[in-house]
This record gives sequence, C-alpha cells and structure tokens, in this order.
Amino acid sequence: AQSVAQPEDQVNVAEGNPLTVKCTYSVSGNPYLFWYVQYPNRGLQFLLKYITGDNLVKGSYGFEAEFNKSQTSFHLKKPSALVSDSALYFCAVREWFTLTFGKGTMLLVSP
Amino acid sequence: DGGITQSPKYLFRKEGQNVTLSCEQNLNHDAMYWYRQDPGQGLRLIYYSQIVNDFQKGDIAEGYSVSREKKESFPLTVTSAQKNPTAFYLCASSIGDEAGQPQHFGDGTRLSIL
Repeated sequence: AQSVAQPEDQVNVAEGNPLTVKCTYSVSGNPYLFWYVQYPNRGLQFLLKYITGDNLVKGSYGFEAEFNKSQTSFHLKKPSALVSDSALYFCAVREWFTLTFGKGTMLLVSP
Repeated sequence: DGGITQSPKYLFRKEGQNVTLSCEQNLNHDAMYWYRQDPGQGLRLIYYSQIVNDFQKGDIAEGYSVSREKKESFPLTVTSAQKNPTAFYLCASSIGDEAGQPQHFGDGTRLSIL
C-alpha cells in the first residue's frame, strides 16, 4: 500500500530565508506526487505535482519541489519565505484511484 | 467562478441523529471525494465516486453513507453509528480518475457534537 511521511510536525523559518518541507513516500509503481497548502478553516489548495520528466517541479506562489527517486523523496522548497506562507502543508501520493496524504507540516514564517 | 461549495460551514449533531453535509461542484468533474480531517492525522478518505450512480468505500467508511444521483452533487450523511463524528469534513473533485489530475477542494464543514 502507498504511504507518505512528513517527518516534521512544524518548520520555523525567518522571512527572506529559504524553506524546505520534507516528504518521503512509498509506492509499488510509478509515483504521482502532489503538494497542497491549507490555511485555517479552509480547504486544501493545490500547489504542484510531479508526474514524470524533470525532477524539479515549479508550482504556484514561487514554490518548487524536488523529486528524488533513489531517496523516495519529494521535498517542497522556496528560495525566500514570506510571512504569508505560514500555513499547513500536505504531501500526497496517488497510485491508483485515491490520494494518500501525509499528516501535514505546519510552516511558521517569522517577520 | 467554478468551484466546490460545501454547506453548512458549521454543523452540530445531537446524539442519535443523522446529519447530511452538502457538496456541490460546477467544474464538470466526474470524480468526487469525501475526506475527514482530524488534528495531526492528515486527511482520511471516507468515500469516493468516479461516475454518477456509483461510489466506493474509502479507508474509514463505517458510520457514513453517500449518494451520487447527479454529477454535480455528492452529499455525505453522518449516521448515528459514527460514534466520534467531531471533525472537519472536506469534499473534493477531479476531472477524472487519471492519476495525474489534482483534486480541487471545498472549504469544508466543521461538525461538532452537542
């Protein structure tokens, strides 16, 4: 069965610094990987996805993610964090008809 | 604007009562999903539907029921058999079942017990 791990419950960064939110996955076939963001009392917003091709995927709001097949990782990155990036971030993997989500990582960006 | 509308935003359930959460989409998406979100547990799949008049159980279907009579609508009923219904419920849809299609989410319904 597919699974996703987000090893950090919370990540703290200062505004202007680069950020990384970690994700590792396990699937038996080709991975289809996604990152979503959730603001308080809202639904999830799609940020980016990896299906195939270039290992560096660019998405919304300046976010990007690096797919590493050998390490089974799909870390979310941003070169310069904004206070408004503070939110809950979910990594997800899809193998058949459904998405499996990680437990989420709270990103806190301080001014 | 196309999107997914969930209602109500807040809902309270009495003991022994069934309640129904509404989910409507105008994105012309074939597939729809219901998730339950609890603090620190991520999202767990309750039910999903790939086409009208068809749906499948997800990981935590016990105590829940759904219907898919129209493409636009996928209501979720939380029955009295669900002993711990307090959670944030999210509805989602996607164009189809192709693995590369992202899911689009509504803004959720927060269900609490009176």
